Amino acid sequence: AQSVAQPEDQVNVAEGNPLTVKCTYSVSGNPYLFWYVQYPNRGLQFLLKYITGDNLVKGSYGFEAEFNKSQTSFHLKKPSALVSDSALYFCAVRDSINTDKLIFGTGTRLQVFP
Amino acid sequence: EPEVTQTPSHQVTQMGQEVILRCVPISNHLYFYWYRQILGQKVEFLVSFYNNEISEKSEIFDDQFSVERPDGSNFTLKIRSTKLEDSAMYFCASRASGGLIYEQYFGPGTRLTVT
Repeated sequence: AQSVAQPEDQVNVAEGNPLTVKCTYSVSGNPYLFWYVQYPNRGLQFLLKYITGDNLVKGSYGFEAEFNKSQTSFHLKKPSALVSDSALYFCAVRDSINTDKLIFGTGTRLQVFP
Repeated sequence: EPEVTQTPSHQVTQMGQEVILRCVPISNHLYFYWYRQILGQKVEFLVSFYNNEISEKSEIFDDQFSVERPDGSNFTLKIRSTKLEDSAMYFCASRASGGLIYEQYFGPGTRLTVT
């Protein structure tokens, strides 16, 4: 069965420091991986995706993510965090075979301190 | 930039009542979805819809739930007889055609409170 794990409920980082939000996945076929961000009282905003190709994908607002097939991971990264990056981040996976639904992780709250 | 919209933003209803949640997907999208997020829990898939029929549904999407695209712009989720455990944030999403490589775009959600 497909699943996504986000092992950290919360990540705290100082503004200007690099940040990493972790995600691991389990699928039966080739994974399509996504990161979404949720600001308070807002919907889920798409950040970036991995479908195929380069393992390092770049997305909105300076975020990037690295796909690692051997570790079944898709960690979200940003070289220099901003206070405005503080939000709830969700990793999601879609199995490439026979399904269109997204399976979400439990979310990680990112808190960037000034 | 086009976006998915949802109405109402908050709906309060009594147990046993019917509710209809409304969504306007992005105009050139052909695939539509409903997800829900119970407070403090993960976002869960409910149903996907394409070409005027359900393409996939989860175990949560039982006979109390139905979806409809009544016209060229709206996409609705109906809960016939609400239960306390239906209280959640309901998200509508849509995506473009052309294959599963395209991401889903989500609306801001409708918070449903069943009392």
